[in-house]
Amino acid sequence: EAGVTQFPSHSVIEKGQTVTLRCDPISGHDNLYWYRRVMGKEIKFLLHFVKESKQDESGMPNNRFLAERTGGTYSTLKVQPAELEDSGVYFCASSFEGEQFFGPGTRLTVL
Amino acid sequence: SQQGEEDPQALSIQEGENATMNCSYKTSINNLQWYRQNSGRGLVHLILIRSNEREKHSGRLRVTLDTSKKSSSLLITASRAADTASYFCATSTSRGSNYKLTFGKGTLLTVNP
Repeated sequence: EAGVTQFPSHSVIEKGQTVTLRCDPISGHDNLYWYRRVMGKEIKFLLHFVKESKQDESGMPNNRFLAERTGGTYSTLKVQPAELEDSGVYFCASSFEGEQFFGPGTRLTVL
Repeated sequence: SQQGEEDPQALSIQEGENATMNCSYKTSINNLQWYRQNSGRGLVHLILIRSNEREKHSGRLRVTLDTSKKSSSLLITASRAADTASYFCATSTSRGSNYKLTFGKGTLLTVNP
């Protein structure tokens, strides 16, 4: 069974540009989470989808971040416009119930 | 300290030795999970312990949970060079179906051959 996949694995963009990250959860997992780890800090929760609905987006840092999960399958996280402090690793996880399975992450570098 | 804070921040041991990492948290939890991250790779789920459990084993891993002290420990026995990685504890204070995790900064374990 395929695990959680994320695309791209790396992204290098300039400040002010837009980047869209994609996450494909494990098939059948209704819960999808986004987390990120900025340099030197802990991994932090961004938001949680149940199917296509946002259950909790309390961790989203500001309105430059937009997450979608149309159709309740894959999810995208768009950062527009990107700022230097957005650099870090963005993880996606999916779950059926408690245990969350993480993807390999997307390393975002904003120059 | 922050929710899910591990100590030590870094640990270096010789192959064959045991490694113990600790985690403290602040609020009541539903469960506590340990994850491993090898350099540049994703998080791998190691073990989950529920708030009503005190100890759990999985292979060379032993996890304890003390809810009165709000702390957990991860013991890796007979360590191997391949165990070199960052280890994170994560707590879940689920509300309804929301199982969002709160992570600590992690412990970097280096196992020297």
